[in-house]
Formats: sequence, structure tokens, C-alpha cells
Amino acid sequence: SQQGEEDPQALSIQEGENATMNCSYKTSINNLQWYRQNSGRGLVHLILIRSNEREKHSGRLRVTLDTSKKSSSLLITASRAADTASYFCATDAAGAQKLVFGQGTRLTINP
Amino acid sequence: GAGVSQSPSNKVTEKGKDVELRCDPISGHTALYWYRQRLGQGLEFLIYFQGNSAPDKSGLPSDRFSAERTGESVSTLTIQRTQQEDSAVYLCASSSGQGAYQPQHFGDGTRLSIL
Repeated sequence: SQQGEEDPQALSIQEGENATMNCSYKTSINNLQWYRQNSGRGLVHLILIRSNEREKHSGRLRVTLDTSKKSSSLLITASRAADTASYFCATDAAGAQKLVFGQGTRLTINP
Repeated sequence: GAGVSQSPSNKVTEKGKDVELRCDPISGHTALYWYRQRLGQGLEFLIYFQGNSAPDKSGLPSDRFSAERTGESVSTLTIQRTQQEDSAVYLCASSSGQGAYQPQHFGDGTRLSIL
């Protein structure tokens, strides 16, 4: 079973709007990572947030982590057409040395 | 190059044939991962190499799948007697240090199609 589950599965918004994606997980974690995947390409690392952190920023990206709810959110502000991609969260399952990925959110930015 | 390189980028083969996929990690990265991604799905962990330690093979779906890595360099994933359900994109990633605590750097994958 997947450790991380993203919500929604698909999201379509207009360019310039903000996009919010959520991730829920089941077991305790040391860190949570977000990745982007453009069609036909590999994944690109966006942000890593540790379990003792609550919020992290990188450019137009903002990630929050609520360990009490076992959830995280990724906010992309002022979206651009180039943000169109699938976004995945990944967690280290119970301290294991491997990441477990969710099914992803497919984001479409309409010009 | 500076990134993770995978070859071939596409592979079409007949059911029952063996295939070998190659991954060149970023130089100096001790951790190397193989994943499988079916169409429209997330990543399924297959195997993890960390330095000279015994690999974590817990994600390999059957004994038809095997992987090797020489030291901290190239890795090959071999699928024997391929089946149609093996059709997927196989992604390789590498990272410095212990992979679950570091960002992983991915190649663009090998798209495998079994006829």
C-alpha cells in the first residue's frame, strides 16, 4: 500500500491562480519530499521538509507539514503554464532507507 | 554528463525475451534506486544500493527481476522472460549519503514495452 496519498488526483486552474495539493501518510516519518514530473521525464526534487519543521519556502513554492494530522500541502503561487506537471510526495516509511511515493496530482495550468 | 543517465530510452521486445536496462548515476553518489512506474501511476520501489552494503531487494516483484551495481558506479536491471505486465517506465535515481534523507536525482527512465 502507498505511504503517501495525494489529493486531488487532478487539478486544472488558470494561469496566475494558486494551486494547492495535499498529501497524507500513514506512519511516522523523518522527512517528506515533494517532486515534480514533466511528461516523459524523470522526477525533479522540489523541497524536503523534516519532521521537526512546519513550513518551508522555495521561490513560488510553499510546503507545510502537520505531523499530528500526518499531512502535508504544496502551494504553488502565481502559477505558470510551465508548472503543468505531475506532483508527487514521498516519505521515508518508518525510518527505512527508501522513499515511498504517492500516486501524484496531475496539475494543468491553462493559459 | 552531470545528471543520471539511463539507457536505452525506449525498448520494445517480445514476450519471453530478457532485457537489460542500464543506469549511470551521478559521480560520487553512493545511493542508487530503481523504480517502476506504470502509466499514470506513482513510483513503485524495486531495489536500493548503498555503497558496498548488501542491496535492499525487498521491492523486486519476482525472481525474474535482478539488479547489480559495481561499487558506486553503473547499475543494470535485468528482467528475464519478460511478461506483458512488465511494460512500464523504469526509473533510476541516485543520491549522496543515505537516500531517504537526501533529495534523489532521477534519470529520464527507460520506457519498456512488451509485445
